[in-house]
Amino acid sequence: AQSVAQPEDQVNVAEGNPLTVKCTYSVSGNPYLFWYVQYPNRGLQFLLKYITGDNLVKGSYGFEAEFNKSQTSFHLKKPSALVSDSALYFCAVRVSSGGYQKVTFGIGTKLQVIP
Amino acid sequence: NAGVMQNPRHLVRRRGQEARLRCSPMKGHSHVYWYRQLPEEGLKFMVYLQKENIIDESGMPKERFSAEFPKEGPSILRIQQVVRGDSAAYFCASSPPGTSVLYEQYFGPGTRLTVT
Repeated sequence: AQSVAQPEDQVNVAEGNPLTVKCTYSVSGNPYLFWYVQYPNRGLQFLLKYITGDNLVKGSYGFEAEFNKSQTSFHLKKPSALVSDSALYFCAVRVSSGGYQKVTFGIGTKLQVIP
Repeated sequence: NAGVMQNPRHLVRRRGQEARLRCSPMKGHSHVYWYRQLPEEGLKFMVYLQKENIIDESGMPKERFSAEFPKEGPSILRIQQVVRGDSAAYFCASSPPGTSVLYEQYFGPGTRLTVT
């Protein structure tokens, strides 16, 4: 069975500092990995995805993520945090299951950027 | 191109009543997914539907919950005889036809159900 772990319930970072939101996964096949962001009282918005190719993936709003196969990780990063980045971040993994692509989401990590 | 639409955005029901949540996928999308979000529990998969077919309902409670995606019209998530524990945010997502792993899901704004 596939699973995603986001080990930190909350991450606090000062504005202007680099941020990292951690994600590890467990799958039996090739992982297809996604990051989504959720602002208060809103639905999830797609940020970026890793399918194949370069391990460093660039996405929306200056975010990027690094796929590390040996550590089964897909950490989300940004060089300089903004207060407006404060939100709930979800990692997700997608694998084939019975002929379709099943998605499993992590529990979410709350990012708080402090002015 | 309008995004995924859900209505109502907020729904209040008394215990024992029925709740009907609607989801209109993005234009051209034929796959619909329903998720439930509870505080401290993240996003939980409920059901995956294609037009007129339920593909995977492994995340849906066996009783009181049902979902459909008819040939015409929105997808409906129906909760009969609601209980307080059903209070949550329910999100719908859609994706294009086909099973390509390239496709991310597009989420609606959610329906916040409160059972009193």
